[in-house]
Amino acid sequence: NAGVTQTPKFRVLKTGQSMTLLCAQDMNHEYMYWYRQDPGMGLRLIHYSVGEGTTAKGEVPDGYNVSRLKKQNFLLGLESAAPSQTSVYFCASSYRLGGSYNEQFFGPGTRLTVL
Amino acid sequence: AQRVTQPEKLLSVFKGAPVELKCNYSYSGSPELFWYVQYSRQRLQLLLRHISRESIKGFTADLNKGETSFHLKKPFAQEEDSAMYYCALAGGTSYGKLTFGQGTILTVHP
Repeated sequence: NAGVTQTPKFRVLKTGQSMTLLCAQDMNHEYMYWYRQDPGMGLRLIHYSVGEGTTAKGEVPDGYNVSRLKKQNFLLGLESAAPSQTSVYFCASSYRLGGSYNEQFFGPGTRLTVL
Repeated sequence: AQRVTQPEKLLSVFKGAPVELKCNYSYSGSPELFWYVQYSRQRLQLLLRHISRESIKGFTADLNKGETSFHLKKPFAQEEDSAMYYCALAGGTSYGKLTFGQGTILTVHP
């Protein structure tokens, strides 16, 4: 099992350019999440999905869009990149068993720099 | 609104010394609390969760609802414990969404 994988690992964009980050998981998890990690701010939730074809906004959704056309994939798009979107992006997946939420499994991260 | 606060950005101890990483939360319902750890050049991974009441790698954490705290403790720190530690909270109907604290970088000196 590869677990959670993210593509690409690194990317440098110019302001105004667009790009898509791909997250894939092979654990058949229902829930998937996109976070951004910034120094001194921890991880903040951008968008999440509770199943194929569904998405919802997290804490910091502005400037991002997402899609979950297949259960195993969760895409994060930046339509017009801004320097404020320079960050490390983490994807995670999880499942629910019984009444509790289980651990989230994280990808290795994508380091994005917007010039 | 839910919030997680980790008051220490950096924490340094010597090998063999006790260590405590503080975590306080704000949530109106019954939270599920977690500690995640990120070792150098590794991905973020779960260390422990309050429901399990386990001791992982010598670490324990007790949920104190009266003080709204979930501090992480280890009696004898090891150099391999050096990492970034995040406290996180999942609310009751949140689909497992996590609210993270700011993180604490623990350095254990030889």
